[in-house]
Amino acid sequence: DAGVTQSPTHLIKTRGQQVTLRCSPKSGHDTVSWYQQALGQGPQFIFQYYEEEERQRGNFPDRFSGHQFPNYSSELNVNALLLGDSALYLCASSRGRLDTGELFFGEGSRLTVL
Amino acid sequence: AQSVAQPEDQVNVAEGNPLTVKCTYSVSGNPYLFWYVQYPNRGLQFLLKYITGDNLVKGSYGFEAEFNKSQTSFHLKKPSALVSDSALYFCAVRDLGNFNKFYFGSGTKLNVKP
Repeated sequence: DAGVTQSPTHLIKTRGQQVTLRCSPKSGHDTVSWYQQALGQGPQFIFQYYEEEERQRGNFPDRFSGHQFPNYSSELNVNALLLGDSALYLCASSRGRLDTGELFFGEGSRLTVL
Repeated sequence: AQSVAQPEDQVNVAEGNPLTVKCTYSVSGNPYLFWYVQYPNRGLQFLLKYITGDNLVKGSYGFEAEFNKSQTSFHLKKPSALVSDSALYFCAVRDLGNFNKFYFGSGTKLNVKP
């Protein structure tokens, strides 16, 4: 049973560029959430997708956008990259918005902005 | 607003000794509490959760956590620490009113010395 998979694992961008990160949820899961984890901090909620719509958003600017596909996979897009966007981006999946269980996390995508 | 606090940035313990990693929470309504562990450059792995029921929750790798409603705490414990337990530990609370958004603490680095 494949868990949550993310790609790429590492990437380096320069300020002003755009980046797309990808996530495939755990089998049987239909809800995908994205978190940003800056160095030395806990994960911060970016947004959540369910039924191909953004359902909830954290305190992140519109430069951060996403998408969910019919197969439940998801993308996170960040435009006009800033140095402060350097972080580990974590994708997490769960089974529906009424699920009370745990989130399942991928290994993350480490973004470095130079 | 939901939140959790981890008052210790770092906990040091000798191998074989008991360990405790502290977490306090602030929620409206019933708390849904979780512990996750993160190894270097990896995603978060689920350890255990409290939804309802017994105040002592048992989880993976011999860890357990004690839910204390009067003290609004959910401390992670293990009777006998292993060097391999050295990692970053995060407490989290689930906000059921916001499509299952999770709020994470800032993390506690556990160092287990031989």
